[in-house]
Amino acid sequence: GAVVSQHPSWVICKSGTSVKIECRSLDFQATTMFWYRQFPKQSLMLMATSNEGSKATYEQGVEKDKFLINHASLTLSTLTVTSAHPEDSSFYICSARDPMTGDNSPLHFGNGTRLTVT
Amino acid sequence: GQNIDQPTEMTATEGAIVQINCTYQTSGFNGLFWYQQHAGEAPTFLSYNVLDGLEEKGRFSSFLSRSKGYSYLLLKELQMKDSASYLCAVRDSNYQLIWGAGTKLIIKP
Repeated sequence: GAVVSQHPSWVICKSGTSVKIECRSLDFQATTMFWYRQFPKQSLMLMATSNEGSKATYEQGVEKDKFLINHASLTLSTLTVTSAHPEDSSFYICSARDPMTGDNSPLHFGNGTRLTVT
Repeated sequence: GQNIDQPTEMTATEGAIVQINCTYQTSGFNGLFWYQQHAGEAPTFLSYNVLDGLEEKGRFSSFLSRSKGYSYLLLKELQMKDSASYLCAVRDSNYQLIWGAGTKLIIKP
């Protein structure tokens, strides 16, 4: 089945620094990828939709300049958390759907990135 | 607004059967998904329903009633490894996924 790889699995950074998270579709081409954030004991919250070759679409309340998304190829999307603060500490998960399996195909998720900002 | 309701937590016994309910109110309907999420891990796909009725897949079954805005996930022959959160998600008319908060299932020996 479709596989989505996410890296790194966990990262600890100091407040004020930037962190880049990579999301790759390993066996399919994804024109669209989705970035979620999940706080403890809460559900998934869609942050933005990453579109290959064009600008990402951000959900209401998500700062575009703080969460930079780049989707430079059909298999890679990156999320950069800029000037990270402790409140950005969360579990970030990317996902994608294999377009070749139709509109009803499920989302496949990466393994997630646990970000801790100290 | 759009809303998905599921119980916060359920407890069941190893070997038993448990049913996790999900009710939804969304702008249109283009399918309902169930995902399993173990603590600290990403969700994994379990089932998909777009037509009314029961979809069976091994120990797991999922039911949908579109007229009632209702679904359930049925887990049989529970195993300790089934302890996880179960997420219900509905795709609305814009093909956006609306997520429930998840049901934490605790399996006791």
